Amino acid sequence: EAQVTQNPRYLITVTGKKLTVTCSQNMNHEYMSWYRQDPGLGLRQIYYSMNVEVTDKGDVPEGYKVSRKEKRNFPLILESPSPNQTSLYFCASSPVSGANVLTFGAGSRLTVL
Amino acid sequence: AQRVTQPEKLLSVFKGAPVELKCNYSYSGSPELFWYVQYSRQRLQLLLRHISRESIKGFTADLNKGETSFHLKKPFAQEEDSAMYYCALSNAGGTSYGKLTFGQGTILTVHP
Repeated sequence: EAQVTQNPRYLITVTGKKLTVTCSQNMNHEYMSWYRQDPGLGLRQIYYSMNVEVTDKGDVPEGYKVSRKEKRNFPLILESPSPNQTSLYFCASSPVSGANVLTFGAGSRLTVL
Repeated sequence: AQRVTQPEKLLSVFKGAPVELKCNYSYSGSPELFWYVQYSRQRLQLLLRHISRESIKGFTADLNKGETSFHLKKPFAQEEDSAMYYCALSNAGGTSYGKLTFGQGTILTVHP
């Protein structure tokens, strides 16, 4: 089944403990992106990648890192998580010909204490 | 900077009534507009995009560049339309193609 897979789906961690949220797609999509969803703020783009080794900042990149070493994977790294990064995170991908026609993952709910 | 505004957080209508979800945008270039929908316990998914000019599940949306709006409309709402709706804007053809900005979302509830 064509899909975007995120892990973990739920995570509770403590301030300062590095964590990685993985994202993988099996559709050979070139474009991948990360969003966070917060009440009243909607979805905000964190980072996106147009292709392997090509990444760029979205609207709220502070406190996050990404890498795109392979086409199928686009992990989101929180080097030193803080409570304001408590949120619901979504990964999405799109074929470059239809960039922004996104297929979304199921979401990862992160709580930072 | 590009911006998308959905002025209504919540919208309630009765089954069979017309529904309009408002979306206004701010962008100096040539935008590409989308509506995404998230039904209960389902993943966020694309509903429609303005360049396709198609009707999906009875919904239509017309890009009005003069009013910088992309309102989503349906003449007769159904209970299964109850969901969270997001309007989104891409800077198609811009220097940072791939940057996608979402509005705050509107929760639509259709009552029986």
